[in-house]
Amino acid sequence: DVKVTQSSRYLVKRTGEKVFLECVQDMDHENMFWYRQDPGLGLRLIYFSYDVKMKEKGDIPEGYSVSREKKERFSLILESASTNQTSMYLCASSLEAPGTSYFLHPYEQYFGPGTRLTVT
Amino acid sequence: GENVEQHPSTLSVQEGDSAVIKCTYSDSASNYFPWYKQELGKRPQLIIDIRSNVGEKKDQRIAVTLNKTAKHFSLHITETQPEDSAVYFCAAGGNNRLAFGKGNQVVVIP
Repeated sequence: DVKVTQSSRYLVKRTGEKVFLECVQDMDHENMFWYRQDPGLGLRLIYFSYDVKMKEKGDIPEGYSVSREKKERFSLILESASTNQTSMYLCASSLEAPGTSYFLHPYEQYFGPGTRLTVT
Repeated sequence: GENVEQHPSTLSVQEGDSAVIKCTYSDSASNYFPWYKQELGKRPQLIIDIRSNVGEKKDQRIAVTLNKTAKHFSLHITETQPEDSAVYFCAAGGNNRLAFGKGNQVVVIP
């Protein structure tokens, strides 16, 4: 069973603080993603990574950076937290090139439980 | 980039009736169209997906249809039950990047 875990369920930080959100997956997935979820806006992609040390900007990368030093771990960094970064942050992972014969849903993204970040 | 529109934003149905959620996408290069269900306080979970070489896929009470020409796809839930109440997200893209719609709140009235 795929497991994606996130370091915190709830986090409260002050404006200007540097914030680290950690995500770990145990399925040897190549792809990892960071989304933020806000009411009425759905899931918006912040950054994703398709390999160790590789990263690509998503739709809303401003104010964020990421780090992927090991295949199983993908970190989201808020260099200087601001109140408009108060949100639910979801991590996900998926296989890069699974083929179609073995998996029922080969391109499925598996989500972590989320971190609700409040910046005051 | 890909833009996914999802309608309606909220849908109320009587238990036992059918529910249909429609999504449109903009990028003709998208070839993968999953649907995720998110119950209150829980993570999104895949319920069904379809690739661009298939027009329809069914799994028990849920089905997805895809019209590549019109760039739209729909989720159909038949014989709705209270446990179907959730937010449903459609998405479009490739195998390593998805764009999600804003979500539909489905409420099944007992």
